[in-house]
Formats: sequence, structure tokens, C-alpha cells
Amino acid sequence: SFVLTQPPSVSVAPGETARISCGGNNVGSRSVHWYQQRPGQAPVVIIYYNSGRPSGIPERFSGSNSGNTATLTISRVEAGDEADYYCQVWDTSRDPQLFGGGTRLTVL
Amino acid sequence: QVQLQASGPGLVKPSETLSLSCTVSGDPINSYYWSWIRQPPGRGLEWVGYIYYSGATKYNPSLKSRLTISVDTSKNQFSLNLNSVTAADTAVYYCARDREGGGPFDYWGQGTLVTVSS
Repeated sequence: SFVLTQPPSVSVAPGETARISCGGNNVGSRSVHWYQQRPGQAPVVIIYYNSGRPSGIPERFSGSNSGNTATLTISRVEAGDEADYYCQVWDTSRDPQLFGGGTRLTVL
Repeated sequence: QVQLQASGPGLVKPSETLSLSCTVSGDPINSYYWSWIRQPPGRGLEWVGYIYYSGATKYNPSLKSRLTISVDTSKNQFSLNLNSVTAADTAVYYCARDREGGGPFDYWGQGTLVTVSS
């Protein structure tokens, strides 16, 4: 079955760029969505269809997807970006909706 | 503004049935796909299943044998029933809207914690 692999944690200093990967076999052929989840809150979609950004999401958040890796990039990281981030794809072969294990972003 | 509100018992005994409802406001339920997603304490997200307003469903294969999702368009509500629960079913259960059946989930409820314990 299709598996999405994310690093458990990423740490970055304020003002720097954070990159969170989401690996999967030929994930570049699928549409990837990204969610931000702050403690005690429901997830919020921040990137859809690989690189689309919903209204209200800062331009500092961007996404890309190619080959076996999708990447969420957060530029000029702020303290408020500390959260868990999840990637998600539609796996038509088995689980229509599949989440990665999540990445905890820590702002140093 | 679309809002989703999940409701149901916060405590269920092992081997019994977990039942939750999600009431949708600000958007007629007779469009789009409506999903349940759960998150065990301290862990990641797991998609449970969805229902289309027509009644068509798709379930996570790991839960399929115990799961039923239904819709009541007259109440703008959809529901989850998960039978034969164990402690492994303890989680925050979210309801969410999916515009196209392949994501993304653009609106989420606040989540409701269900604990399976005797």
C-alpha cells in the first residue's frame, strides 16, 4: 500500500526557511495537500493541489511536488508557525485519503 | 461561512458502538463529500471514511467491517457508527468537508474526544 513518510521533527530559527518533506513512491504523480495543526485545534489546509494557497494563507507558505518527494516550504519562519504539519494524498488504490505521519515544526 | 459541529458521547464501553453526528451549517449538505477523520491522543491523523450526499460511501479498509456512515439531508447532518470498539478507537474525531472526494478538506469541525473505557 501507498505510504507517506515525513520527518518527525524540523527545527529552524526565526527568519530562516523551513522545508518539510513528504516522501512516497512516485508521489509527484498525485495531488498533495498540506495541513497545519496547532495544539488543541483542528487542522487547517495551507496548501492544496501541490502548490495552491487558500485565501488567507500567507505567501510565505509554498509547496512543490516532483518525483518521490513533495515539499512544504515556509519562508521567513515566525514563532506562530510552530505547529504540526501533515501532508495528504488521495490514494485511489486503497485508502482514498492518506495522511503522512506529521512533522512537528519547532521555532528555536 | 461553513461550520461543522460534531456531537456524541465522550465515553463508550469496549465492545459497544461509537455513534457521532456532524451538523453542517452555512452550506447545504446535498453537495460535496463529508468525511470523518480521527486522531488518537498524541498521534497523527487517520481518515475514517466519507459519504457523498447521494449516500455513496467509501471507508478506510482497516475499519470497513465495523463502520457505517450515513447522511440525513433533511437535518443537514451526517453520522458515524463504529461498532465493537476497543481502546485503540480512542481518539479525537473530526468531521470535515471535501469538495471533490480527493481532498483537500477545506472545512473542519472542532473535534470531539471519544474515550473507549469500561
